Amino acid sequence: GDSVTQMEGPVTLSEEAFLTINCTYTATGYPSLFWYVQYPGEGLQLLLKATKADDKGSNKGFEATYRKETTSFHLEKGSVQVSDSAVYFCALLKSGGSYIPTFGRGTSLIVHP
Amino acid sequence: EAGVTQSPTHLIKTRGQQATLRCSPISGHTSVYWYQQALGLGLQFLLWYDEGEERNRGNFPPRFSGRQFPNYSSELNVNALELEDSALYLCASSTGQPKRTDTQYFGPGTRLTVL
Repeated sequence: GDSVTQMEGPVTLSEEAFLTINCTYTATGYPSLFWYVQYPGEGLQLLLKATKADDKGSNKGFEATYRKETTSFHLEKGSVQVSDSAVYFCALLKSGGSYIPTFGRGTSLIVHP
Repeated sequence: EAGVTQSPTHLIKTRGQQATLRCSPISGHTSVYWYQQALGLGLQFLLWYDEGEERNRGNFPPRFSGRQFPNYSSELNVNALELEDSALYLCASSTGQPKRTDTQYFGPGTRLTVL
């Protein structure tokens, strides 16, 4: 079945450091890929998405590129802030199936001043 | 535009009791999804409702059930509560015209604690 694998957390960084959170997936067909973010005490919200190979999603300084050849969708940010501390979820969704997203287990990011 | 709302924010029950959680989707959305987020386990899909019908169900026992009302709001019922049901229950909505580019919009969740 479909699956999403994220790097284990927590990821701990100092403010202004470069961030990479790895995400790889296994799926048949052509899924769309998403990054959702969950700030403390809140539900998830969409951070960015990409719907086809080589697409780059971007938002709030975060970027991720849909790499079909490596089945990856790594999240990056050039300079993190304390306010970026949250849990980040990678997810995929494809047509012709259950239309239920498959989520990774989440990666906690902690940014220190 | 109002987002997805959930009530109550917190719910404390004892083992064996029943819990009812409520969700109101974004206006114009007809699909409602329920997820369980237990500590360390990520999001586990529970139920999907669209246009008043149950469309899909995750790998949970029958004591987890729900319904969707004509105004597209939804209830999740958990019967015969067990300690391991303690979790954050998230509701999400979407437009209800399933396609692979769909974004789900999440509510803030209901924290259920079973004592």
